[in-house]
Amino acid sequence: RKEVEQDPGPFNVPEGATVAFNCTYSNSASQSFFWYRQDCRKEPKLLMSVYSSGNEDGRFTAQLNRASQYISLLIRDSKLSDSATYLCVVNTYNFNKFYFGSGTKLNVKP
Amino acid sequence: NAGVTQTPKFRVLKTGQSMTLLCAQDMNHEYMYWYRQDPGMGLRLIHYSVGEGTTAKGEVPDGYNVSRLKKQNFLLGLESAAPSQTSVYFCASTPGGDRGYEQYFGPGTRLTVT
Repeated sequence: RKEVEQDPGPFNVPEGATVAFNCTYSNSASQSFFWYRQDCRKEPKLLMSVYSSGNEDGRFTAQLNRASQYISLLIRDSKLSDSATYLCVVNTYNFNKFYFGSGTKLNVKP
Repeated sequence: NAGVTQTPKFRVLKTGQSMTLLCAQDMNHEYMYWYRQDPGMGLRLIHYSVGEGTTAKGEVPDGYNVSRLKKQNFLLGLESAAPSQTSVYFCASTPGGDRGYEQYFGPGTRLTVT
């Protein structure tokens, strides 16, 4: 079983739409959670960390559900520039290792 | 600051050849990582280092070796390249401790083994 699983998509949405991604993780001892964004043929970049109480950064909201072992990312008022692949990342044990989901592709269309 | 840099950006190898990929960071980060990214597979950890002089195996270490003789550099070696090692290789570093655990990535090395 993979450590982190994501729906690969693609999610095709119009500008201004609200879109949500989920990600599940298998290790209940996981300690830290992140969403990264990766543009085509570029390196991943941190979008936001995910905290237990949930957190928001502008149009982006991240939630963590430890009981069900999933994290979510909500994007409101989608922009064309949001088109990218979104990677769910989980860090376990003693922070030495990070496990990446295979990514969810988002296409925002005019 | 240059951040995380990787050398080379592109490389084509023949089966059986060897090469070394260089990763350098100027942020005084403790942790460094080598990943490979294949279509539909996400990033998979090859090896990592929690400090100068230390290395450890990740998920897919076979066919690779690493060294971290200096804190700012993390080298990935392919001893005898195979077509299965065709991939995009990303290096990353993380400050650790009170400075947090965000991963900073290099631009990647695209390797083709024929």
